[in-house]
Amino acid sequence: EIVMTQSPATLSVSPGERATLSCRASQSVSSNLAWYQQKPGQAPRLLIYGASTRATGIPARFSGSGSGTEFTLTISSLQSEDFAVYYCQQYNNWPPEVTFGQGTKVEIK
Amino acid sequence: EVQLVESGGGLVQPGRSLRLSCAASGFTFDDYAMHWVRQAPGKGLEWVSGISWNSGSIGYADSVKGRFTISRDNAKNSLYLQMNSLRAEDTALYYCAKSHSVGAGGWFDPWGQGTLVTVSS
Repeated sequence: EIVMTQSPATLSVSPGERATLSCRASQSVSSNLAWYQQKPGQAPRLLIYGASTRATGIPARFSGSGSGTEFTLTISSLQSEDFAVYYCQQYNNWPPEVTFGQGTKVEIK
Repeated sequence: EVQLVESGGGLVQPGRSLRLSCAASGFTFDDYAMHWVRQAPGKGLEWVSGISWNSGSIGYADSVKGRFTISRDNAKNSLYLQMNSLRAEDTALYYCAKSHSVGAGGWFDPWGQGTLVTVSS
């Protein structure tokens, strides 16, 4: 099983600042990585797929990078609506499974 | 507009069974793989199971293997999850999610709003 490890668990950021979230895979997943945003009481929303491609309608302040085992999600200038929990997901190891990281909560500093 | 609507959740005793359904609309259902993902209260996301467009490729998380069965009915635009031998640790909000491709891997977009399963005596 590929284990996805996200860091930090919680990130305290002021509005307008940059946020950098990390995701590490226990073995290479190539570029088969996605990022999701989840707000309280809502279903997750796809942000990034293929490690760096923004999903439809996602603002340009969200960017993804990395390949292999190390990945980063950057939010260039945090807006109030960006405070949420972010998850990475690998989909390289199919069949038989996909796996999620444990999440990073981005909170207001 | 793509819509996924889960149903079938509820309170069930340990050891009993439950069947979840996901009704899909707004897209050609049999062009895409589908998945179930769950989230225990206050916890992160856990992938549960996925199924390719034609049911030819299926996968399960180790935590549910042998107890849960995923299936789909393309004629009814529906996805199912048969959950047997339920345990307290299966308590979670269960989401249905559409894969981006026909094969069962890939990223998920969109997700339904979830159906809550509570396993308790």
